[in-house]
Amino acid sequence: LAKTTQPISMDSYEGQEVNITCSHNNIATNDYITWYQQFPSQGPRFIIQGYKTKVTNEVASLFIPADRKSSTLSLPRVSLSDTAVYYCLVGGLTGGGNKLTFGTGTQLKVEL
Amino acid sequence: KAGVTQTPRYLIKTRGQQVTLSCSPISGHRSVSWYQQTPGQGLQFLFEYFSETQRNKGNFPGRFSGRQFSNSRSEMNVSTLELGDSALYLCASRGTGDNEQFFGPGTRLTVL
Repeated sequence: LAKTTQPISMDSYEGQEVNITCSHNNIATNDYITWYQQFPSQGPRFIIQGYKTKVTNEVASLFIPADRKSSTLSLPRVSLSDTAVYYCLVGGLTGGGNKLTFGTGTQLKVEL
Repeated sequence: KAGVTQTPRYLIKTRGQQVTLSCSPISGHRSVSWYQQTPGQGLQFLFEYFSETQRNKGNFPGRFSGRQFSNSRSEMNVSTLELGDSALYLCASRGTGDNEQFFGPGTRLTVL
């Protein structure tokens, strides 16, 4: 299973863009990269998923370089409510089922 | 569409006892995965069930077991509880061919 490495914590202010980078050096060819958000005492919530290049949805963008050994989650104009733990996952969900590995996560703290 | 539900939400047991946790996936989802979350180890994958069969298994001792019923509802059982089993146990479901997992609120287990 691919192992991921993320910063333990990050601090930001409201209105700023936040970029969280995840390293996954031994990502496999058929692995996807997925990011989840988790608030205290709640289950993780899906944010975005990608395989290569760039993916954007209404809440975030995901940048994946050509070698796919890292990825960056970009949160535009964060607010206080974005304070949460963000997990980077690498693995495949199709075919062989769930083989996802959660990293330690990044605690994002957004202040006024 | 109702989300993933888990029962009970909170549970207190003593060492040596056993416990059964229940998870009802989103209607139509046949895959159910279980995770253990602790402050020290983070989110760890326990196992995944699909169509009543265990499809993938994490690195946990045999005291942790699970099953899935024909209606896709799943249970996990932990026997001979240890203090270290105190954790938030999360269940996630997904549809066939989908990459996104939907997590339930979790069951908070405390072992005294």
